[in-house]
Amino acid sequence: ETGVTQTPRHLVMGMTNKKSLKCEQHLGHNAMYWYKQSAKKPLELMFVYNFKEQTENNSVPSRFSPECPNSSHLFLHLHTLQPEDSALYLCASSQVRGRGNTEAFFGQGTRLTVV
Amino acid sequence: GENVGLHLPTLSVQEGDNSIINCAYSNSASDYFIWYKQESGKGPQFIIDIRSNMDKRQGQRVTVLLNKTVKHLSLQIAATQPGDSAVYFCAENAGGTSYGKLTFGQGTILTVHP
Repeated sequence: ETGVTQTPRHLVMGMTNKKSLKCEQHLGHNAMYWYKQSAKKPLELMFVYNFKEQTENNSVPSRFSPECPNSSHLFLHLHTLQPEDSALYLCASSQVRGRGNTEAFFGQGTRLTVV
Repeated sequence: GENVGLHLPTLSVQEGDNSIINCAYSNSASDYFIWYKQESGKGPQFIIDIRSNMDKRQGQRVTVLLNKTVKHLSLQIAATQPGDSAVYFCAENAGGTSYGKLTFGQGTILTVHP
């Protein structure tokens, strides 16, 4: 058990569908992240939320829309995706302190297939 | 040009041997480094970390070495076991205003043969 739970584990969606990925962390951390892992690229940071505020948007297309209602929950809303968006989407959390960072804990990921 | 496909470095070892996985990082301002292990179908798992004010840190069966002069990080696994077979990633963080942002390396596939 990682302390970071992602649902669903697998998702197949059409290009016109709208779906959401959910992440919940039970570690009391104050920062949450979305990463994309595809077979063709290294793990890529998409979004960073510190204290529920988005502090990083790594040039992610607007068809990906994050939401962080509180420090324990993070969503990734998906709409009009493209087949090349098929990947493993990983959520992570960490405790950001005044100086330095601590390790990020990852969920199991959502395997997304866009058809 | 852009890589069409990513071919990860691979390392094959016999059970009981020591393994060394290397990583070159790019940002001289990075002050915090982590090694992760990712098994098939799972998210990355934390193995060990090191801050830039250290050049060596040891855990259980693992040691991380940091050479800031050449921006190089290595992970040593002692007495490698079949359960160590996975993809290993290094990650760096520059701290300061970029806290929370981890930049990952491409990964190395470790295969341990019984």
